[in-house]
Amino acid sequence: GQQVMQIPQYQHVQEGEDFTTYCNSSTTLSNIQWYKQRPGGHPVFLIQLVKSGEVKKQKRLTFQFGEAKKNSSLHITATQTTDVGTYFCAGLSGTYKYIFGTGTRLKVLA
Amino acid sequence: ETGVTQTPRHLVMGMTNKKSLKCEQHLGHNAMYWYKQSAKKPLELMFVYSLEERVENNSVPSRFSPECPNSSHLFLHLHTLQPEDSALYLCASSQGYGGNQPQHFGDGTRLSIL
Repeated sequence: GQQVMQIPQYQHVQEGEDFTTYCNSSTTLSNIQWYKQRPGGHPVFLIQLVKSGEVKKQKRLTFQFGEAKKNSSLHITATQTTDVGTYFCAGLSGTYKYIFGTGTRLKVLA
Repeated sequence: ETGVTQTPRHLVMGMTNKKSLKCEQHLGHNAMYWYKQSAKKPLELMFVYSLEERVENNSVPSRFSPECPNSSHLFLHLHTLQPEDSALYLCASSQGYGGNQPQHFGDGTRLSIL
């Protein structure tokens, strides 16, 4: 079945350093969504990418959808302690069902 | 305030008990979801309802039984659960089913099976 993998599983960074998480699908995706889950919280929708090669920015966050629509990345510039949490991608392929990635847990050291 | 409310927030039950999880969304959405979140595992989609009709049932054991009486409410009835069912159960809703619809999640019910 379809799988969506994310790397790394965990990442510890010093405050001010950059961070990137990568999402890879075993199948071509129609679109991809990104969510953030704070510790003890619930996933919160961040953004959606639809077009091949699409790049979107939200302040210090940059999201990219691969040309082949099988991978995506989230890059955070100059991390802050408020960026702590787990970042999930969710890919839509074929059916109407989103498959969530394994998540990347980010810790930011002050 | 998420717009999606889940009760209870925490639940401890024995393997022979019967309990229900409740989800209510105040967003006017037409689709509702149940997910299971276990440690070190991705979110697992369990059930999807669209316009009160079940459209997804992901090979979930029969000890989990969903109910969607209307587009604002979703229940998950539990009976004879196993220790491996201990997890965070998240409810979500979206404007429509599939396509370009972001999902709005509740705070979840933390379930522990003794």
